[in-house]
Amino acid sequence: GAGVSQTPSNKVTEKGKYVELRCDPISGHTALYWYRQSLGQGPEFLIYFQGTGAADDSGLPNDRFFAVRPEGSVSTLKIQRTERGDSAVYLCASSLIGTSGQETQYFGPGTRLLVL
Amino acid sequence: AQSVTQLDSQVPVFEEAPVELRCNYSSSVSVYLFWYVQYPNQGLQLLLKYLSGSTLVKSINGFEAEFNKSQTSFHLRKPSVHISDTAEYFCAVKSRVGGKLQFGAGTQVVVTP
Repeated sequence: GAGVSQTPSNKVTEKGKYVELRCDPISGHTALYWYRQSLGQGPEFLIYFQGTGAADDSGLPNDRFFAVRPEGSVSTLKIQRTERGDSAVYLCASSLIGTSGQETQYFGPGTRLLVL
Repeated sequence: AQSVTQLDSQVPVFEEAPVELRCNYSSSVSVYLFWYVQYPNQGLQLLLKYLSGSTLVKSINGFEAEFNKSQTSFHLRKPSVHISDTAEYFCAVKSRVGGKLQFGAGTQVVVTP
């Protein structure tokens, strides 16, 4: 079946602009995660959805970052007033929901964001 | 709070030689442990995971990792590497009650003939 998809694959924008990054999870996966990977570092957690609600948004760096998942499937990560330091690869992952906490997270290919 | 330390940023290795990638973690709660691999120009893929039971876990392509609770380590090993094992490897931990993964900085493995 189809994996996690992310669009666009690359995004170049200017400092101060607004961007939206989209994630389509694996069909049937009710948990969705956003991570950010800066050059030379491991992925860093941003936010986690269970269904439509954000279960944990403790990783969002500031109020310029916001994410939604209105119908419990597709999610959009929104960044306002972009800064050069926002340049990174933004990764999305999804998993089955469960009570054990053992579910595997499946990652998409990422969106490479460059802020000039 | 949790943290993951991958002690080597890059590991060069010859084809058919063994390799070990070190991972240490710290956590105040019980965790699950994972190794993810990122091949060139591809997304992160799960390589193997430790959830419970036997402390030695194995992947289908010959990698294995051993959970050592007393040393808070989860080192990854392969007795004989192939050129196709060239990739970046990430160790990660996850609280047993939380959803997010905490990743290390990654280890770049470069296999040469």
